[in-house]
Amino acid sequence: GAVVSQHPSWVICKSGTSVKIECRSLDFQATTMFWYRQFPKQSLMLMATSNEGSKATYEQGVEKDKFLINHASLTLSTLTVTSAHPEDSSFYICSAKYTLLSSYNEQFFGPGTRLTVL
Amino acid sequence: DAKTTQPTSMDCAEGRAANLPCNHSTISGNEYVYWYRQIHSQGPQYIIHGLKNNETNEMASLIITEDRKSSTLILPHATLRDTAVYYCIVRAGSGGGADGLTFGKGTHLIIQP
Repeated sequence: GAVVSQHPSWVICKSGTSVKIECRSLDFQATTMFWYRQFPKQSLMLMATSNEGSKATYEQGVEKDKFLINHASLTLSTLTVTSAHPEDSSFYICSAKYTLLSSYNEQFFGPGTRLTVL
Repeated sequence: DAKTTQPTSMDCAEGRAANLPCNHSTISGNEYVYWYRQIHSQGPQYIIHGLKNNETNEMASLIITEDRKSSTLILPHATLRDTAVYYCIVRAGSGGGADGLTFGKGTHLIIQP
């Protein structure tokens, strides 16, 4: 099946610093990628939809100036958590829509990035 | 998207078939039923999807009732590695929507040795 990778798999940073997370589709092109966040013992929550070559669409309550998304190519989307604070500590997961198979809405997920802000 | 209801948790003996139910009584005609699972501290994994016919792949079978108001995911021979949270999601399928998925609480399936 289609493979999505994320880097780094985990990161620890100091409060106030910025952290960049990369999401790559390794063997297919993805015009649309999604970013999710998952707090402990909770389900995944969609943060934003990332479209190649255009601005991301953010879900209600997600600050676009804090969570910067760039989708510069068909295989790479990045999420930058700016001025991170302890409450941003979470499991960040991306997914990519397999656009070649346009007959259905299957998404492939990355392995996730565990962010801990001290 | 139509709302889904799943049991919070289920146990199943290793080697047995695991049957995970999902209710989606408000499903509309163009919405598919998707199943994903998430093993602890990993990203979700796509399992299977269907519209109205029963579907089978190398991972599981999906049985959808004739009125489409409920479905059952079947793992035919559960192993310890199948312990995970299983999510039933109803979404527009064919060519439709670039929206992300809405995850409910899912069913925590625990496979017992």
